[in-house]
Amino acid sequence: DAGVIQSPRHEVTEMGQEVTLRCKPISGHDYLFWYRQTMMRGLELLIYFNNNVPIDDSGMPEDRFSAKMPNASFSTLKIQPSEPRDSAVYFCASSLPWTSGLTGELFFGEGSRLTVL
Amino acid sequence: KNQVEQSPQSLIILEGKNCTLQCNYTVSPFSNLRWYKQDTGRGPVSLTIMTFSENTKSNGRYTATLDADTKQSSLHITASQLSDSASYICVVTNQAGTALIFGKGTTLSVSS
Repeated sequence: DAGVIQSPRHEVTEMGQEVTLRCKPISGHDYLFWYRQTMMRGLELLIYFNNNVPIDDSGMPEDRFSAKMPNASFSTLKIQPSEPRDSAVYFCASSLPWTSGLTGELFFGEGSRLTVL
Repeated sequence: KNQVEQSPQSLIILEGKNCTLQCNYTVSPFSNLRWYKQDTGRGPVSLTIMTFSENTKSNGRYTATLDADTKQSSLHITASQLSDSASYICVVTNQAGTALIFGKGTTLSVSS
């Protein structure tokens, strides 16, 4: 398996523009997570899905952020409009049931580095 | 509030030396504790995962220990190599399985 695939790897945009980040989880994994990582705050959970259904979106910072998972092999994280404080690395991760010890291991993508000017 | 605190924040050691990274948590009860390695510009990769009943888990030169009584875990790296330079992140899963609580990581630099 190719692992979790994210695109784009790097995105530079101007304040006010719409940003869409994409993720393809590992086939067969029924949990998908979106994280944001900054130097100050480390890794923060934004939202996670189970079987394509959003379970917990309490980490989504505000209404400018939205996430969808239309099918088991694709998810998007959208920021509209983007602001400079959104600059961070956004990670997607997938897993089998994640309380199940080894089988619940989180597999991360390589991340999307977003810079909002 | 469930928290995971890691120390030191950063560490520099010479190649070949050993080092120990610390993780203190307040998550109680918890399901499991994980250590991840994150190379610069890459996503985190799992090193070890321990349930509350396990005391130690090894993965090559990496050995994680867990003391559930004191709510402390450590990651020991033996005979460090340049490729060990990375950020090491401690993650605790709560017992309900509803949350993964991440530490902010320790940045390790191994120099020759």
